[in-house]
Formats: sequence, C-alpha cells, structure tokens
Amino acid sequence: DTAVSQTPKYLVTQMGNDKSIKCEQNLGHDTMYWYKQDSKKFLKIMFSYNNKELIINETVPNRFSPKSPDKAHLNLHINSLELGDSAVYFCASRRRGPGTGELFFGEGSRLTVL
Amino acid sequence: AQTVTQSQPEMSVQEAETVTLSCTYDTSESDYYLFWYKQPPSRQMILVIRQEAYKQQNATENRFSVNFQKAAKSFSLKISDSQLGDAAMYFCAYRSGGTSYGKLTFGQGTILTVHP
Repeated sequence: DTAVSQTPKYLVTQMGNDKSIKCEQNLGHDTMYWYKQDSKKFLKIMFSYNNKELIINETVPNRFSPKSPDKAHLNLHINSLELGDSAVYFCASRRRGPGTGELFFGEGSRLTVL
Repeated sequence: AQTVTQSQPEMSVQEAETVTLSCTYDTSESDYYLFWYKQPPSRQMILVIRQEAYKQQNATENRFSVNFQKAAKSFSLKISDSQLGDAAMYFCAYRSGGTSYGKLTFGQGTILTVHP
C-alpha cells in the first residue's frame, strides 16, 4: 500500500516536449506539494495545493503548471522542456492543521531532458 | 526568509560508532518545527526525527537523537551504534508554525558513509 505514489518514476524526453507527472495519495491528506531536487541534491518547493486550491506558488517558470482534480491527486505538467528541467521531482502530502504534521513523500520521478 | 545550513557536505563513521550531523537555521519566528529526513540511494525521503521548537526536551527515536539549541539556532542529529543501513543523504528541514501551509525549507544535505 503506497501512501504517496508518483508516475512515471523515470522519464527521458527531448527538449521542447511537453510531459506530465502524476501523483496520488491515499492518506486522506488535505495538502499536497511538488518539490524539485536538482543535480546537487538541493530540495526546493515548487507548488502546494490544499483541497484543490493553490496555496504555494514559488518562483517557477510558467512552463510548469500544477493541476489538482481532487484533494487526493496533484499532477505536474511541464511545457517546452529545457535541459535545466532535468531533476528529480517529489510529490508529498500532509494533513492540514497545527502540529508537527510531517510530510509524506513519494519515491520521486527522475526527469531527464536530452 | 528562513534558511537552513548544513555545513558538512560529507561525513563518515565506522559501523557501531556514533556520528553527529550539524544543522543551523536562521529565523525570527518563535513557533516552528525542525526535522531530519533521510534519503537513501532508493531516493525515498524518510522522516527520521522531528522537534517542536516549544519543547525543551530533545527528541529521541531509538538510535537517533537531536541536540536542539534554540538560542544558538542549532539542531544536530546524533546517530548512535551506526549501521550500514544508515548510509544515506541526510537533510535538515525547517517548517514555520504559522501560516506556512506546511512548507519545508531544506538544508543542502550531508552524505553519510558507514564503513564496516
């Protein structure tokens, strides 16, 4: 029973293409996130949705567009892929509210742009 | 904006020995949470331990413990009786207790190697 699952786990594509990464969580959490881990392993938040509403939108190129059809799903669509988009993209979820509220991460999706 | 700094890019330890990973953070907030995450070669991010800033007692989870020095803004992770399975990249992370929507700010990470 995978709590946060991402597909695909590996993606190799050409520059200029459009691709999507899907994320689903079965934890009943309200809030979901996309993080990017670059080649130096640095993790940075990109987006967050709470119950289908965008609540965090960091400085990310417009080519990246998140979509949340319901609170259990958060997809990431990337247009006109560039070499610099190569990274591991992590989806995560958290129950809304006070407290430590740990983030549960997916296994990551490694995107390679050639 | 909050920042998290891990000054040790790499650390190594002998199996069964103890190692301490350092983390410092910068914040003007009084209500926040600190975390250590482990990322083994499998890429999965795994929560190791968490600390609430309002708690004076240092958190402990089996062989993992923290030294939380709030005034010094320091949050180090001690791994006792190191095991081969502890080898991974370790990330220190900060989360505001206010309206941050659970956003985590990560440090640069420390690669831990465990020698048999």
